[in-house]
Amino acid sequence: DIQMTQSPSTLSASVGDRVIITCRASQSISRWLAWYLQRPGIAPKLLIQQASTLESGVPSRFSGSGSGTEFTLTISSLQPDDFATYFCQQYDSYPYTFGQGTKLEIK
Amino acid sequence: QVQLQESGPGLVKPSQTLSLTCSVSGGSISSGAYYWSWIRQHPGKGLEWIGHIYYSGSTSYNPSLKNRQTISIDTSKNQFFLQLTSVTAADTAVYYCARDLTIGTFDYWGQGSLVTVSS
Repeated sequence: DIQMTQSPSTLSASVGDRVIITCRASQSISRWLAWYLQRPGIAPKLLIQQASTLESGVPSRFSGSGSGTEFTLTISSLQPDDFATYFCQQYDSYPYTFGQGTKLEIK
Repeated sequence: QVQLQESGPGLVKPSQTLSLTCSVSGGSISSGAYYWSWIRQHPGKGLEWIGHIYYSGSTSYNPSLKNRQTISIDTSKNQFFLQLTSVTAADTAVYYCARDLTIGTFDYWGQGSLVTVSS
Protein backbone atom coordinates (compact mmCIF):
# COMPACT_ATOMS: atom_id res chain seq x y z
CA ASP A 1 0.00 0.00 0.00
CA ILE A 2 1.09 3.58 -0.57
CA GLN A 3 1.59 5.36 2.76
CA MET A 4 0.60 9.01 2.97
CA THR A 5 2.24 11.14 5.65
CA GLN A 6 1.04 14.62 6.48
CA SER A 7 2.87 17.32 8.40
CA PRO A 8 2.32 18.89 10.73
CA SER A 9 -0.30 16.89 12.61
CA THR A 10 -1.54 20.05 14.28
CA LEU A 11 -1.09 23.62 13.16
CA SER A 12 -1.99 26.70 15.19
CA ALA A 13 -2.63 29.86 13.21
CA SER A 14 -4.61 33.09 13.22
CA VAL A 15 -7.20 34.53 10.88
CA GLY A 16 -5.37 36.12 7.96
CA ASP A 17 -2.30 33.87 8.21
CA ARG A 18 -0.88 31.95 5.28
CA VAL A 19 -0.47 28.28 6.07
CA ILE A 20 1.06 25.33 4.27
CA ILE A 21 0.29 21.66 4.88
CA THR A 22 2.57 19.01 3.43
CA CYS A 23 1.70 15.51 2.26
CA ARG A 24 4.33 12.94 1.32
CA ALA A 25 3.70 9.66 -0.48
CA SER A 26 5.81 6.56 0.11
CA GLN A 27 6.21 6.17 -3.66
CA SER A 28 5.51 8.29 -6.69
CA ILE A 29 1.84 8.95 -7.34
CA SER A 30 2.34 11.38 -10.22
CA ARG A 31 -0.34 14.02 -9.57
CA TRP A 32 -3.04 11.64 -8.38
CA LEU A 33 -3.61 13.45 -5.11
CA ALA A 34 -6.70 14.99 -3.56
CA TRP A 35 -7.23 17.23 -0.54
CA TYR A 36 -10.29 17.18 1.71
CA LEU A 37 -11.51 19.40 4.53
CA GLN A 38 -13.45 17.89 7.44
CA ARG A 39 -15.29 19.79 10.12
CA PRO A 40 -16.21 18.00 13.37
CA GLY A 41 -19.09 15.58 12.97
CA ILE A 42 -19.41 16.21 9.23
CA ALA A 43 -18.28 14.19 6.23
CA PRO A 44 -15.16 15.29 4.40
CA LYS A 45 -15.47 17.77 1.54
CA LEU A 46 -13.39 17.48 -1.61
CA LEU A 47 -11.32 20.62 -2.14
CA ILE A 48 -8.68 19.78 -4.71
CA GLN A 49 -7.99 16.90 -7.09
CA GLN A 50 -5.11 16.10 -9.41
CA ALA A 51 -2.86 17.92 -6.94
CA SER A 52 -3.88 21.43 -7.99
CA THR A 53 -7.38 21.48 -9.55
CA LEU A 54 -9.85 23.30 -7.32
CA GLU A 55 -13.33 21.87 -7.10
CA SER A 56 -16.17 24.12 -8.14
CA GLY A 57 -17.09 26.56 -5.39
CA VAL A 58 -13.85 26.21 -3.44
CA PRO A 59 -12.44 29.65 -2.60
CA SER A 60 -9.34 30.75 -4.48
CA ARG A 61 -7.40 31.20 -1.24
CA PHE A 62 -6.90 27.42 -1.39
CA SER A 63 -4.23 26.09 -3.70
CA GLY A 64 -2.41 22.82 -4.18
CA SER A 65 0.88 21.94 -5.75
CA GLY A 66 3.35 19.11 -6.13
CA SER A 67 3.94 15.90 -8.01
CA GLY A 68 5.63 12.58 -7.49
CA THR A 69 5.94 12.18 -3.72
CA GLU A 70 5.72 15.71 -2.30
CA PHE A 71 2.60 17.83 -2.22
CA THR A 72 1.40 20.96 -0.46
CA LEU A 73 -1.91 22.58 0.35
CA THR A 74 -1.67 26.33 0.86
CA ILE A 75 -4.33 28.58 2.34
CA SER A 76 -3.30 32.12 1.50
CA SER A 77 -5.33 34.01 4.10
CA LEU A 78 -7.09 31.97 6.75
CA GLN A 79 -10.77 32.60 7.32
CA PRO A 80 -12.74 31.46 10.39
CA ASP A 81 -14.42 28.70 8.38
CA ASP A 82 -11.04 27.17 7.50
CA PHE A 83 -10.27 25.90 11.01
CA ALA A 84 -10.85 22.19 10.48
CA THR A 85 -8.95 19.00 9.73
CA TYR A 86 -7.38 18.46 6.31
CA PHE A 87 -6.65 15.09 4.71
CA CYS A 88 -4.71 14.18 1.62
CA GLN A 89 -5.59 11.07 -0.40
CA GLN A 90 -3.77 9.21 -3.15
CA TYR A 91 -5.67 7.59 -5.97
CA ASP A 92 -2.75 6.41 -8.05
CA SER A 93 -3.32 2.80 -7.09
CA TYR A 94 -5.48 0.50 -5.01
CA PRO A 95 -6.11 0.58 -2.17
CA TYR A 96 -6.80 4.30 -2.04
CA THR A 97 -5.12 5.68 1.08
CA PHE A 98 -5.39 8.84 3.13
CA GLY A 99 -3.00 10.84 5.24
CA GLN A 100 -3.55 10.88 8.98
CA GLY A 101 -4.86 14.44 8.89
CA THR A 102 -3.70 17.92 9.87
CA LYS A 103 -5.79 19.74 12.42
CA LEU A 104 -5.77 23.48 11.86
CA GLU A 105 -6.47 25.26 15.14
CA ILE A 106 -7.04 28.87 16.07
CA LYS A 107 -4.00 30.32 17.82
CA GLN B 1 -28.19 17.56 -6.09
CA VAL B 2 -26.95 14.07 -5.32
CA GLN B 3 -27.52 12.88 -1.77
CA LEU B 4 -26.34 9.73 -0.05
CA GLN B 5 -27.76 8.36 3.18
CA GLU B 6 -26.39 5.49 5.25
CA SER B 7 -28.68 3.31 7.33
CA GLY B 8 -28.25 0.27 9.51
CA PRO B 9 -27.80 -0.87 13.11
CA GLY B 10 -25.71 1.35 15.34
CA LEU B 11 -24.67 -1.54 17.57
CA VAL B 12 -23.30 -4.89 16.48
CA LYS B 13 -22.06 -7.71 18.70
CA PRO B 14 -18.54 -9.05 18.34
CA SER B 15 -18.17 -11.88 15.79
CA GLN B 16 -21.40 -10.87 14.06
CA THR B 17 -21.90 -9.22 10.67
CA LEU B 18 -22.17 -5.48 10.20
CA SER B 19 -24.66 -4.54 7.48
CA LEU B 20 -25.17 -1.05 6.10
CA THR B 21 -27.24 0.37 3.27
CA CYS B 22 -26.50 3.51 1.27
CA SER B 23 -29.50 5.07 -0.45
CA VAL B 24 -28.71 7.42 -3.31
CA SER B 25 -31.07 10.17 -4.44
CA GLY B 26 -30.80 12.96 -6.99
CA GLY B 27 -28.96 10.79 -9.48
CA SER B 28 -28.85 7.27 -10.86
CA ILE B 29 -26.55 4.72 -9.30
CA SER B 30 -26.45 3.11 -12.76
CA SER B 31 -24.49 6.00 -14.22
CA GLY B 32 -21.34 4.62 -15.73
CA ALA B 33 -19.44 7.71 -14.65
CA TYR B 34 -19.08 6.66 -11.03
CA TYR B 35 -18.11 3.98 -8.59
CA TRP B 36 -19.78 3.78 -5.20
CA SER B 37 -17.52 3.50 -2.19
CA TRP B 38 -17.53 2.73 1.49
CA ILE B 39 -15.05 4.55 3.72
CA ARG B 40 -14.69 4.39 7.48
CA GLN B 41 -13.20 6.61 10.14
CA HIS B 42 -12.20 5.28 13.55
CA PRO B 43 -13.02 7.68 16.39
CA GLY B 44 -10.67 10.64 16.25
CA LYS B 45 -8.61 9.02 13.50
CA GLY B 46 -8.01 9.12 9.79
CA LEU B 47 -9.97 7.68 6.89
CA GLU B 48 -9.80 4.13 5.54
CA TRP B 49 -11.18 3.16 2.14
CA ILE B 50 -13.05 -0.14 2.42
CA GLY B 51 -13.87 -0.75 -1.23
CA HIS B 52 -16.13 0.21 -4.09
CA ILE B 53 -18.58 -1.16 -6.61
CA TYR B 54 -19.53 -0.27 -10.17
CA TYR B 55 -23.14 -0.42 -11.35
CA SER B 56 -22.28 -3.64 -13.20
CA GLY B 57 -21.37 -5.29 -9.90
CA SER B 58 -17.62 -5.14 -10.38
CA THR B 59 -15.83 -4.54 -7.07
CA SER B 60 -12.45 -3.66 -5.62
CA TYR B 61 -11.60 -4.08 -1.96
CA ASN B 62 -8.99 -2.94 0.52
CA PRO B 63 -7.06 -6.07 1.57
CA SER B 64 -6.43 -4.57 5.02
CA LEU B 65 -9.88 -5.81 6.04
CA LYS B 66 -8.78 -9.37 5.24
CA ASN B 67 -11.59 -10.10 2.79
CA ARG B 68 -14.25 -9.68 5.46
CA GLN B 69 -16.07 -7.07 3.40
CA THR B 70 -18.63 -7.52 0.66
CA ILE B 71 -20.11 -4.63 -1.29
CA SER B 72 -23.21 -5.22 -3.39
CA ILE B 73 -25.61 -3.08 -5.38
CA ASP B 74 -29.30 -2.95 -6.24
CA THR B 75 -29.74 -0.61 -9.18
CA SER B 76 -33.53 -0.98 -9.10
CA LYS B 77 -33.58 0.58 -5.64
CA ASN B 78 -30.67 2.98 -6.23
CA GLN B 79 -28.89 1.47 -3.24
CA PHE B 80 -25.62 -0.20 -2.46
CA PHE B 81 -24.62 -2.19 0.57
CA LEU B 82 -21.76 -3.11 2.87
CA GLN B 83 -21.41 -6.32 4.82
CA LEU B 84 -18.48 -6.81 7.15
CA THR B 85 -18.19 -10.18 8.81
CA SER B 86 -16.58 -11.32 12.06
CA VAL B 87 -16.47 -7.84 13.53
CA THR B 88 -14.42 -6.89 16.57
CA ALA B 89 -14.11 -3.73 18.64
CA ALA B 90 -11.52 -2.55 16.10
CA ASP B 91 -14.35 -2.20 13.58
CA THR B 92 -16.06 0.48 15.68
CA ALA B 93 -16.09 3.51 13.41
CA VAL B 94 -18.16 5.99 11.49
CA TYR B 95 -18.97 4.41 8.16
CA TYR B 96 -19.46 6.69 5.16
CA CYS B 97 -20.77 5.90 1.74
CA ALA B 98 -19.48 8.13 -1.03
CA ARG B 99 -19.71 8.69 -4.74
CA ASP B 100 -16.41 7.76 -6.27
CA LEU B 101 -15.46 9.56 -9.45
CA THR B 102 -13.94 6.85 -11.59
CA ILE B 103 -10.54 8.42 -11.19
CA GLY B 104 -10.70 7.78 -7.44
CA THR B 105 -11.82 10.91 -5.65
CA PHE B 106 -14.98 11.27 -3.59
CA ASP B 107 -17.23 14.21 -4.38
CA TYR B 108 -20.43 13.37 -2.52
CA TRP B 109 -20.60 11.72 0.89
CA GLY B 110 -23.31 10.50 3.21
CA GLN B 111 -23.54 12.01 6.65
CA GLY B 112 -21.92 8.95 8.20
CA SER B 113 -23.23 6.14 10.38
CA LEU B 114 -21.58 5.35 13.71
CA VAL B 115 -21.34 1.62 14.26
CA THR B 116 -20.21 0.39 17.65
CA VAL B 117 -19.08 -3.19 18.13
CA SER B 118 -19.82 -4.25 21.67
CA SER B 119 -21.52 -7.06 23.55
